[in-house]
Amino acid sequence: AQKVTQAQTEISVVEKEDVTLDCVYETRDTTYYLFWYKQPPSGELVFLIRRNSFDEQNEISGRYSWNFQKSTSSFNFTITASQVVDSAVYFCALSDLPNAGGTSYGKLTFGQGTILTVHP
Amino acid sequence: NAGVTQTPKFQVLKTGQSMTLQCAQDMNHNSMYWYRQDPGMGLRLIYYSASEGTTDKGEVPNGYNVSRLNKREFSLRLESAAPSQTSVYFCASSEVSSGRFGDTQYFGPGTRLTVL
Repeated sequence: AQKVTQAQTEISVVEKEDVTLDCVYETRDTTYYLFWYKQPPSGELVFLIRRNSFDEQNEISGRYSWNFQKSTSSFNFTITASQVVDSAVYFCALSDLPNAGGTSYGKLTFGQGTILTVHP
Repeated sequence: NAGVTQTPKFQVLKTGQSMTLQCAQDMNHNSMYWYRQDPGMGLRLIYYSASEGTTDKGEVPNGYNVSRLNKREFSLRLESAAPSQTSVYFCASSEVSSGRFGDTQYFGPGTRLTVL
């Protein structure tokens, strides 16, 4: 069975600090996709990034960066120079694979989420 | 494009009452999903529909039924609500179709349901 663990339940930082959110996953599949979503206080889920298991290149997008390491089954997310608007719950998720019949549905397994609070 | 829309935004039910949560997407996606979010547990899949006309159980299907009315709409029904079904419900859709996986899921704004 697939599993995603976000060991950090809550993180509190002061504005302009860097913060890293950890994500560790378990899967027996050799091919899979990983995602990060943000859930701000307003409650909606906002897609941040998708990464497939073939591509271990790190990615940077503005103040956000992601470090994917297949060897340690980790997909960590770093926010540089955090801002109050970054305060949210962040979820890491792992995709499902096609079943034996070849049909696919792409359902996600989510981690428990990390509550990030950035103080001014 | 409105993306994924859900109605209602809030609902309070008494134990034993029934209701249907509505979801619609305008992105021409094949797959649709219903999740529930409980504190400290992330999102858990209730039901999904890989394509129009098909539905399958997810991780926590007990107490729920679904209908994929057409390609756009996917409804979730609680036949006899219980306090354990108090949760936030999210609908999602993705382009993924048979033989593919890994497409991004886009979520609706959620429905906050309280069962007394």
